[in-house]
This record gives sequence, C-alpha cells and structure tokens, in this order.
Amino acid sequence: DIQMTQSPSAMSASVGDRVTITCRASQGISNYLAWFQQKPGKVPKRLIYAASSLQSGVPSRFSGSGSGTEFTLTINSLQPEDFATYYCLQHKTYPLTFGGGTKVEIK
Amino acid sequence: EVQLVESGGGLIQPGGSLRLSCAASGVTVNTNYMTWVRQAPGKGLEWVSVVFSVSSTYYADSVKGRFTISRDNSKNTLYLQMNSLRAEDTAVYYCARGASGAPLEFWGQGTLVTVSS
Repeated sequence: DIQMTQSPSAMSASVGDRVTITCRASQGISNYLAWFQQKPGKVPKRLIYAASSLQSGVPSRFSGSGSGTEFTLTINSLQPEDFATYYCLQHKTYPLTFGGGTKVEIK
Repeated sequence: EVQLVESGGGLIQPGGSLRLSCAASGVTVNTNYMTWVRQAPGKGLEWVSVVFSVSSTYYADSVKGRFTISRDNSKNTLYLQMNSLRAEDTAVYYCARGASGAPLEFWGQGTLVTVSS
C-alpha cells in the first residue's frame, strides 16, 4: 500500500499568513492527489483534486502543486474560516490512503 | 442537488454484524465511484471501500474479508455490510461520491458505529 506522510502534523498561524502543508507519497503517484479540509464536527470538504485542480466554489487563496512523490497545499492570506484540519489523499492506487492530517490553529 | 444520507449505525458488541445504508439523491449509485470512509473518535480519515463500474470493489486491508460493499440500483442506495466487528471499527462512517480521477466530491453527514461490550 502507498503511505502518505503529511507535515507538519500541527501548526499555528495568524490571519493573513501564507501557510504551506506538505504531503509525501511512499512511491510515485503522478498527480493523483487530493486535499480535504475538515472543521471540528463537520464533514470533510474537497478542496483540490488531481494535485492542482481547484474544486468549484473553493476560494482561490487555496492552491495545490506537485507531482510524483511530493505535493504541497498552499493557503495564501489565511482567513479565520481556514482554521481546520487538512488531509491529503492519494487516488492513484487502491487501497486509497489518506495522510495523517495537519491541524492549522490560530496563533 | 446531490444528497447522501447514511443510516444504520449504533452500538454493537464485538463480533457482531451491522449493515450501513447510504441513500442517494441527485446522483445514481451505479454510475459513480461510491465510497465509504471512516473516522475514529479524535482520529484522522481512513478510506474503507469503493464500488464502481459493473462490479469493481476494493477494500482497505483493515476490513478486507469482514466488510462487503454493495449497491441496490433500484433503491439508489449504497450499503456496507460489516461482520466480525472489533473495537477498532468504532468510528463515524461516511459515504461519498466521486468520479475517476476526482474522488470523494460529495459526502454524507455520517453515521456513528460504536463497537463495545
């Protein structure tokens, strides 16, 4: 199975900051990588698929990049509603696998 | 509008069985990638199983041989039959719909399964 390693596991940031979250795959997955946001007590929401395709309705301050084994989710100018936990998911090979999550907290 | 509504969760003893349902509207379960994802209390997301095409199914190693995914096209409903349940299966179970190359676009609200004596 493909292992997905996210870093950091948690971080503190301020409103207006630029935030970068990294996800590394244990083997190459081309661009088969999605990013999800989950707020406490809420259902996960897809932000990005195919590594860099922005989900309809998601603000343009979110962007994804990468290919192969290393991927990045960037949030430009962090907003109060962006404080949440973020997960990556490889969708190249079954079983699909999520990263462990990155909790973005208010500094 | 796509709606996915899970049901069937509850408290079950270790070794027991439970069947979860996911009633779909605004999408047909037989023409999409229909998936189950779970989340143990305070933990991260875990992909569980998928069904797509005529009868393609895949499972996480942790549930293979114990869980079975299926769908009833006439009822437009997705199922997850869970047997030989263990304490570590305790989680909120979500159903989600996706497409090839674009997974897990729409999610249900989830149903809680608690395995405990």
